[in-house]
Amino acid sequence: AQSVTQLDSQVPVFEEAPVELRCNYSSSVSVYLFWYVQYPNQGLQLLLKYLSGSTLVKGINGFEAEFNKSQTSFHLRKPSVHISDTAEYFCAVSRLTGNQFYFGTGTSLTVIP
Amino acid sequence: DSGVTQTPKHLITATGQRVTLRCSPRSGDLSVYWYQQSLDQGLQFLIHYYNGEERAKGNILERFSAQQFPDLHSELNLSSLELGDSALYFCASSPSGRIGEQYFGPGTRLTVT
Repeated sequence: AQSVTQLDSQVPVFEEAPVELRCNYSSSVSVYLFWYVQYPNQGLQLLLKYLSGSTLVKGINGFEAEFNKSQTSFHLRKPSVHISDTAEYFCAVSRLTGNQFYFGTGTSLTVIP
Repeated sequence: DSGVTQTPKHLITATGQRVTLRCSPRSGDLSVYWYQQSLDQGLQFLIHYYNGEERAKGNILERFSAQQFPDLHSELNLSSLELGDSALYFCASSPSGRIGEQYFGPGTRLTVT
């Protein structure tokens, strides 16, 4: 089975500061990794994904994530956050079939002016 | 707007009742996923359909069932409702071959009283 742990439930950060949202996963098989964002009263939106190749993946809105197989981590980073980045962020994994997804419990990012 | 529509937006019903939630995927997307989001359980994968066929089942209760019709819309049926079934139910659609590229609908908020 697969599981996802998001280590921080809430992350406050000042505007224009860097941020890292942490995600660890466990799986006995190879998986794909994703980060999604959920703005208030909306559905989730894909930020970025790691399927294979370069371990550093870039997504939308200036976010990037690094896949670390030895540490089973997929942390999300942004060098300078904006007020508009305030949202809930979810890390997710899927088996290579893409038929089933497992989500973490989410990290609430609050950007402080 | 993701292009995925869900109806109704809100649903209030009593314990023991049965409801049907409807999802229309983006034009051309063959995959539909259903998720349940609640405060205590987070985002839980329920079931995945591809072109009318069930592909994977997650934490879906026996009281719940789903299907995908020939026009690709999907319905999630919830019966013998309990207070604990109160949650936000999302569907997401995905284009073929684009793993993880899920487009989420706005959700149906179900309240069981």
